[in-house]
Amino acid sequence: AQKVTQAQTEISVVEKEDVTLDCVYETRDTTYYLFWYKQPPSGELVFLIRRNSFDEQNEISGRYSWNFQKSTSSFNFTITASQVVDSAVYFCALDSNYQLIWGAGTKLIIKP
Amino acid sequence: DTGVSQNPRHKITKRGQNVTFRCDPISEHNRLYWYRQTLGQGPEFLTYFQNEAQLEKSRLLSDRFSAERPKGSFSTLEIQRTEQGDSAMYLCASSLVPHRVGNEKLFFGSGTQLSVL
Repeated sequence: AQKVTQAQTEISVVEKEDVTLDCVYETRDTTYYLFWYKQPPSGELVFLIRRNSFDEQNEISGRYSWNFQKSTSSFNFTITASQVVDSAVYFCALDSNYQLIWGAGTKLIIKP
Repeated sequence: DTGVSQNPRHKITKRGQNVTFRCDPISEHNRLYWYRQTLGQGPEFLTYFQNEAQLEKSRLLSDRFSAERPKGSFSTLEIQRTEQGDSAMYLCASSLVPHRVGNEKLFFGSGTQLSVL
């Protein structure tokens, strides 16, 4: 079965702290894609990253970085030097046969 | 083009009534998705179109739900005989991908919040 687990329901940190959001997935496919999306209070989901299963290189984009580990079926997301504008719900998702299987999301609260 | 547009933003209806939502994707995008999201959960796939063809429909989608994309541009989602359990945010997304290719970056609309009383 395809499944995405985001065990952290809510995380609260003070601005400028680093924070890591966990994502664990299950799939029997040998080729698959993983995604992260951000949903700010306005509600519109915003794409952050897409990673295919053959590319285990970590990726960095500004203050954002992603750690993909196939051995543990994890695709974790780290925000460095967090800012109040990072406050949102973050979703991890797995591509499965043209559908996206979504985790339940992690609500991230950045306090000033 | 400013992105994916959904109308209405909010819809309140009485149980048993029919409702219809509209989604206007980004103009050149050939793929269009409908998702449903309830509070505290991730989006749940409902259906998707490649141009005007509806290629996949969730097994969770009851017969009361129907979606169309008649000319491969805008799409409508209709719910007949609404039930309180249908209350949710209905999200539309679009993307530009070749046929038979899996998910690419999706562009989402702001959604239609449905409340069934």
